[in-house]
Amino acid sequence: EAGVAQSPRYKIIEKRQSVAFWCNPISGHATLYWYQQILGQGPKLLIQFQNNGVVDDSQLPKDRFSAERLKGVDSTLKIQPAKLEDSAVYLCASSSIAGPPADTQYFGPGTRLTVL
Amino acid sequence: QQPVQSPQAVILREGEDAVINCSSSKALYSVHWYRQKHGEAPVFLMILLKGGEQKGHEKISASFNEKKQQSSLYLTASQLSYSGTYFCGTVPISGNTGKLIFGQGTTLQVKP
Repeated sequence: EAGVAQSPRYKIIEKRQSVAFWCNPISGHATLYWYQQILGQGPKLLIQFQNNGVVDDSQLPKDRFSAERLKGVDSTLKIQPAKLEDSAVYLCASSSIAGPPADTQYFGPGTRLTVL
Repeated sequence: QQPVQSPQAVILREGEDAVINCSSSKALYSVHWYRQKHGEAPVFLMILLKGGEQKGHEKISASFNEKKQQSSLYLTASQLSYSGTYFCGTVPISGNTGKLIFGQGTTLQVKP
């Protein structure tokens, strides 16, 4: 079974530029999560999708971050414009159609973003 | 709201045991444990559910004290491959959407 795929793996941008990350969850997984992991900290949830719909985006900085999940499969996370404090690893995770709250979340390899 | 993990770091010799604790101020539905190696994705180890159901991984076990909102991860006869950062993720009962709230992590280093 293929795991969660993410691209790109690394990205370096200047502040005020825009950037987009892509995630392809495990086949059949209805729930998709985007996390931000700052160096030395645990992952922090940015947004959670159930199929096409947003379940929780309470910690997403909506003035600069946006995310979408078209057709309930792939997802993109965008930052526009980027700030220095956005430097982090952005992790995508998915869980099965049985859904939360007891589901195991499987993580992708992440995208390491450096904002200069 | 973020769970607190202790200790922050542990150094062991191969074959030694370790316990990592996770404590929450919120009533919990479940506790999830992950291990993350440097530069890699977190890997699922264990889930503990309210009511006592437990799932395991390799030679690692865990407990969940619902009354105290605490969970402990037990690593026995540690191997070099156990090195990494361990995170607990908690799912609160209140306002439960299933999202995980992660602790700050415990770094484990196993030496030969």
